Amino acid sequence: DAGVIQSPRHEVTEMGQEVTLRCKPISGHNSLFWYRQTMMRGLELLIYFNNNVPIDDSGMPEDRFSAKMPNASFSTLKIQPSEPRDSAVYFCASRGQDNSPLHFGNGTRLTVT
Amino acid sequence: QKEVEQNSGPLSVPEGAIASLNCTYSDRGSQSFFWYRQYSGKSPELIMSIYSNGDKEDGRFTAQLNKASQYVSLLIRDSQPSDSATYLCAVNLAYGGSQGNLIFGKGTKLSVKP
Repeated sequence: DAGVIQSPRHEVTEMGQEVTLRCKPISGHNSLFWYRQTMMRGLELLIYFNNNVPIDDSGMPEDRFSAKMPNASFSTLKIQPSEPRDSAVYFCASRGQDNSPLHFGNGTRLTVT
Repeated sequence: QKEVEQNSGPLSVPEGAIASLNCTYSDRGSQSFFWYRQYSGKSPELIMSIYSNGDKEDGRFTAQLNKASQYVSLLIRDSQPSDSATYLCAVNLAYGGSQGNLIFGKGTKLSVKP
């Protein structure tokens, strides 16, 4: 299995620009999570999908952030407009069943200047 | 607010010693607990899962769970320099709108000195 695939690995953009992060979960997994990691705040849950439906988006910082999962094999996290405080590593993770462990992608390192 | 607490460290142990990492959680109904290891610049990788009270051993790693005390720990025996990393405790929430969410502690940085 190829594991969870995220793209791009690195993204550098200017404040105000739109950023789109992409994720392909492990085939057959029905839950997908987006996390953001910073030194100060650790690994924060942004949003969680189950069977392509958003279950809990209470961790999404503000309206500038949006996430979609149009099908079982693809999800996007969009930031529009981006701000320097959005700079972080964004991880996507998936799992097959409730209570099973998550499998993480390699992450996207976002830098907003 | 459901929380998972860990000492941030750094925890420094000599090579060959036992490293003990601790975690407490606030959601009393949680049933699934995980330990992840994260090397600098890398993504978290699963080390152990534990679901029942007591100990679970896998090689040099032992996870311990006490649901009554809302406490989970990870012991690393015969610590090696390659074990130097940040260890993340994760808890699967049990109730309400957050059911199914996996919440992480901020991690404990472990340093194993040769």
